Amino acid sequence: GAVVSQHPSRVICKSGTSVKIECRSLDFQATTMFWYRQFPKQSLMLMATSNEGSKATYEQGVEKDKFLINHASLTLSTLTVTSAHPEDSSFYICSAKGEEAGYTFGSGTRLTVV
Amino acid sequence: GDSVTQMEGPVTLSEEAFLTINCTYTATGYPSLFWYVQYPGEGLQLLLKATKADDKGSNKGFEATYRKETTSFHLEKGSVQVSDSAVYFCALRGGSSNTGKLIFGQGTTLQVKP
Repeated sequence: GAVVSQHPSRVICKSGTSVKIECRSLDFQATTMFWYRQFPKQSLMLMATSNEGSKATYEQGVEKDKFLINHASLTLSTLTVTSAHPEDSSFYICSAKGEEAGYTFGSGTRLTVV
Repeated sequence: GDSVTQMEGPVTLSEEAFLTINCTYTATGYPSLFWYVQYPGEGLQLLLKATKADDKGSNKGFEATYRKETTSFHLEKGSVQVSDSAVYFCALRGGSSNTGKLIFGQGTTLQVKP
């Protein structure tokens, strides 16, 4: 079946630094990528939707200059958390959609900003 | 806008007990409905889905029926196992949105004790 590889699974960074999270579709072409954020014991909140080769569409309240999304190829999308602060600590999950494949989730990235 | 509401957790059951996790939704149009499962430290996995009214989704002993008249998609399993302990998310796609994004409920934690 369709597989999405998300890296890193865990990252600890210092406040003020930037962190990049990658999601790769391994056996299908992801025409659309969704990025979600999950706070402890809460649901997933959609942050943005990106289509390959286009600018991402951000949900209301999500800072596009802080959460940079790149979807330059059909198999790779990245989320960069710029100038991270402790309040950005969260679980980030990507979900990829291909023409034939359904919606496949990555395994998530636990970001801790200290 | 579209929304999903799940029963509050955690739900704690003994092994072989019957499970019901309630899910109701609000949506215009004809959304597809999903149940996802998240094991500790992992991403989401699709458990089952239903795309139209009266459809029953089933997988691994779990099942849920799309009830348009009650706008519900309750998850059931006749005999739970310790390995079923996880967080379960009800979600919808479609409805008033054509972007393909999933709208999740808040998640229900299931704890099964031996």
